[in-house]
Parts: sequence; C-alpha cells; structure tokens
Amino acid sequence: DAGVTQSPTHLIKTRGQQVTLRCSPKSGHDTVSWYQQALGQGPQFIFQYYEEEERQRGNFPDRFSGHQFPNYSSELNVNALLLGDSALYLCASSFGQALYNEQFFGPGTRLTVL
Amino acid sequence: AQSVTQLGSHVSVSEGALVLLRCNYSSSVPPYLFWYVQYPNQGLQLLLKYTSAATLVKGINGFEAEFKKSETSFHLTKPSAHMSDAAEYFCAVSRSGAGSYQLTFGKGTKLSVIP
Repeated sequence: DAGVTQSPTHLIKTRGQQVTLRCSPKSGHDTVSWYQQALGQGPQFIFQYYEEEERQRGNFPDRFSGHQFPNYSSELNVNALLLGDSALYLCASSFGQALYNEQFFGPGTRLTVL
Repeated sequence: AQSVTQLGSHVSVSEGALVLLRCNYSSSVPPYLFWYVQYPNQGLQLLLKYTSAATLVKGINGFEAEFKKSETSFHLTKPSAHMSDAAEYFCAVSRSGAGSYQLTFGKGTKLSVIP
C-alpha cells in the first residue's frame, strides 16, 4: 500500500502565478482534506472533499480552490500567489468524513513563492 | 470555535526520562482530541485520539494521554524517552459528532532527546 502520495515534492513560483498541487489518497479512502503548514506553525485546515464536493472550508480566501476526481484523487489550486502562501501543503485522506476515522497524511508539497 | 494551546515550543529530555508534552484545549462542545507526530520532511502520523470513550488513551510507540475535562487538558506522556522519539508533536481538537470535519492544530512542540 503506497499510502497518501503528493506531487510535486517541491515547487518554486513567483508572486501572481498560479499553482496546482496533487494528492492521491490511501487505497480504500474516499475523503481528502488539505492543510497549509507555515514554517514553525501547526497545520491549518483549508478544505475537505468528499463525493467530489467541497464539504467544509477553513478560513482561506477564494484564491484557494480544489477538486476531487471520481477516483478520489484531489487537486489544490492557488491563484494569484502571495509571498505569504509559501508553506508546506499537506493532504490527508480517510474513509468517510467523520474525524473519528483516522486521517493519514502525505509527506507534503513545499511551495516557495518568490 | 475550538482552539489548542501547546505549552513549550521546545522540550528537551534525557534518554530514559519521562516525556511530558502539554496541551490545553478550548471547545464549546464535547471535543475529539488528537496527538500527531511529525518527523523531519515527513507528513503527520497519528499517535492517539480521544473520542469520548475511555479518558486514558494509549497510543503507538508507548505514548499515552489523559483527557481531563475539569482542567481542559490532554497532556501526552511516555515513561521513558528513546532517541527515536525526537520529533515535533502536535495536539489537535475538533468538534465531536456529525457535521464537523475540521481539525484545529496547536503550534507544535519540538522534542529533543539527549543521549
């Protein structure tokens, strides 16, 4: 079992550009959540996808959007990048939405905005 | 709204000594509580979780935590530290029950183990 995989591992962009990050959930999982982890901080919830719909959203602007595909994989898109978007972006998958089901985290994508 | 405060951004212990990492939470409804560990350049791994069953929760790698409602605490302990325990630890909270799928994390505590 490959676990949760994310691509790319690292990414460098400039302000104003757009970026797409990808996540493949653990086998058997149907729910994907995205988190942003700034340097020296804990992860912050961006949103959760289940049945190809955004089910819950944290306190992030509309520049952050996502998608879930029929095979349960997911993308996170960020438009009009700001320097403050530099962070580690973590994807977590689970079976079902409820948080008593364990979330498995991927290794993350390190985004640097110059 | 839920929030988590982790006391001490950095804790150092000697190998074989007790590990105690502190977490206090704030929640207007009964919470679910979690401890995660993050090794360098890796994602988060669940150590243990409290979901309103037993208040003393045992997790992986010899860690345990006790839910104390009166103190709004969920401190993480391990009787004897091992070098491999050096990592960053995060406490997280969520609302219990249906309709809430958002984990709120603390800022983390970096644990160093001195040989």
